[in-house]
Amino acid sequence: KAGVTQTPRYLIKTRGQQVTLSCSPISGHRSVSWYQQTPGQGLQFLFEYFSETQRNKGNFPGRFSGRQFSNSRSEMNVSTLELGDSALYLCASSLARGLTEAFFGQGTRLTVV
Amino acid sequence: TQLLEQSPQFLSIQEGENLTVYCNSSSVFSSLQWYRQEPGEGPVLLVTVVTGGEVKKLKRLTFQFGDARKDSSLHITAAQPGDTGLYLCAGGSNTNAGKSTFGDGTTLTVKP
Repeated sequence: KAGVTQTPRYLIKTRGQQVTLSCSPISGHRSVSWYQQTPGQGLQFLFEYFSETQRNKGNFPGRFSGRQFSNSRSEMNVSTLELGDSALYLCASSLARGLTEAFFGQGTRLTVV
Repeated sequence: TQLLEQSPQFLSIQEGENLTVYCNSSSVFSSLQWYRQEPGEGPVLLVTVVTGGEVKKLKRLTFQFGDARKDSSLHITAAQPGDTGLYLCAGGSNTNAGKSTFGDGTTLTVKP
């Protein structure tokens, strides 16, 4: 069974631009969570989606947003990019809410220049 | 806010040595996961522990969940270069389903 797929793997954007990242969870998994990983801050929770609804949100500014589609695929968007947004963005899928056993994708490495 | 502290932050050992990594919190977690991450890749789930005092073994890796479900340890016996990576613990809470709190990780280097 295929794992979590994130696209693209690498992305370079200019400050002020916006970006959309995609995540396809494991087949049958309905919960998708997003994390930002940086050397200084570690893994920081962005948000969680279940049944097309945002169920949980971390402490990130409104420039970070996301959505989930009926097939459980999820996208996250970052607008007005800042240099500090450079990070590895990770998507994790779980079978259901409350099951915190999550399976991660390979991540999208975003570099803002 | 639930926090998880991992120690040590960095560990460099020779092949064949044993090591223990700790994950501590003042909060109670309903479950705790350990992941291993290699550079440029996503974390890979190693184990989930849910019962206080639980011990799980995965080949040369032994995971223990504290009796009070506030802390956990990962012990590796006879480390190998293939064990090199970033080890992360993550705690889950029934009151905040869908959100895991991650420790800052332990970077392990096993030299041949």
